[in-house]
Amino acid sequence: DGGITQSPKYLFRKEGQNVTLSCEQNLNHDAMYWYRQDPGQGLRLIYYSQIVNDFQKGDIAEGYSVSREKKESFPLTVTSAQKNPTAFYLCASSIVQGEGYTFGSGTRLTVV
Amino acid sequence: QKEVEQDPGPLSVPEGAIVSLNCTYSNSAFQYFMWYRQYSRKGPELLMYTYSSGNKEDGRFTAQVDKSSKYISLFIRDSQPSDSATYLCAISNTGNQFYFGTGTSLTVIP
Repeated sequence: DGGITQSPKYLFRKEGQNVTLSCEQNLNHDAMYWYRQDPGQGLRLIYYSQIVNDFQKGDIAEGYSVSREKKESFPLTVTSAQKNPTAFYLCASSIVQGEGYTFGSGTRLTVV
Repeated sequence: QKEVEQDPGPLSVPEGAIVSLNCTYSNSAFQYFMWYRQYSRKGPELLMYTYSSGNKEDGRFTAQVDKSSKYISLFIRDSQPSDSATYLCAISNTGNQFYFGTGTSLTVIP
């Protein structure tokens, strides 16, 4: 079955460490996105990519980095520069600009 | 001012009721409108997608866009306990970057 796989489901990080969240899709979608979800706030866009080897910053890119070396993969690194990284992270993809997203099941990151 | 505003609820209705969920937005240039359903600890799933204005119906779900009032609605007819979830609206002008509402938590009581 086609879909988006995010791993791990739960992740614990010590302060000062970088951590990478995985996102893989087999939908053959061109566009991929990373969102952050916090209680009482809407989803906020971190980064998005429309084609391989190209990506753009969203509203809250500071402290995050991404790569898009393959169409299927869009990993997100949460760096030590992100001051408040504890959140639910969602990866999404879409076939073309403006079409509905398919979301992964999310990764819950907790800083301990 | 936020790009999109959504009443967080919570909203509690009896089974079989008609549910109305709403969002308002600030930019008249927005033309892509979506509704997502999110169960607890899961990723959102797309329910309805409309471009520009008008109504769209899919089974028990109807999405409405009123561009003159900058107001969008999602109606759920004959609500079921399985409809209990958080509903998110999402709006964009370019189709690249969507602004999401905070979500409305809905509980349908059997």
